[in-house]
Amino acid sequence: GQQLNQSPQSMFIQEGEDVSMNCTSSSIFNTWLWYKQDPGEGPVLLIALYKAGELTSNGRLTAQFGITRKDSFLNISASIPSDVGIYFCAGQPPGDSWGKFQFGAGTQVVVTP
Amino acid sequence: DAGITQSPRYKITETGRQVTLMCHQTWSHSYMFWYRQDLGHGLRLIYYSAAADITDKGEVPDGYVVSRSKTENFPLTLESATRSQTSVYFCASSDSGRGYTFGSGTRLTVV
Repeated sequence: GQQLNQSPQSMFIQEGEDVSMNCTSSSIFNTWLWYKQDPGEGPVLLIALYKAGELTSNGRLTAQFGITRKDSFLNISASIPSDVGIYFCAGQPPGDSWGKFQFGAGTQVVVTP
Repeated sequence: DAGITQSPRYKITETGRQVTLMCHQTWSHSYMFWYRQDLGHGLRLIYYSAAADITDKGEVPDGYVVSRSKTENFPLTLESATRSQTSVYFCASSDSGRGYTFGSGTRLTVV
């Protein structure tokens, strides 16, 4: 299957700092999703992107669908302690049935006061 | 309660036993999915279903069986559990064209 590379694998940041993470692939995707997972829970959808170049915000979160359709970025501004968790990107390859997303391995975010 | 629920939350079973993980959603979403989550692999799709009585294999279907006789239920069965199937299993549901909603997961240990 296609490789979806998510980086960084983990990051330790101070409260108030901005956070950036990204997902890249050698192949194009039609849709990008960004999820956050808290310990012991299922992933929760943060932002969905449907068009190349699309920039979408959800509170302090901003995500972009890369213009090449091979990457996506998630930024968190002014981090707070509850931003701790694992963030996943997911991409929907063209030609596949809806919902057959591929997930990145996740970025673990740790926020220190 | 509205939403997507998985049961049980935790399960320990022995190698070779059959075990069924349940998933129920109240939104009447057409699409339902089963993922497994393992360290180093992220989430991998086991099976998915586009509607009742329509199922298809995902990335890692071997050793698993699914059925979907009703829109709201999508059980996942391990026919003969192996240690390599120790994992956290997530069910999800979706309307076409939207991101999907995950359940809280079932942590399965095969001993």
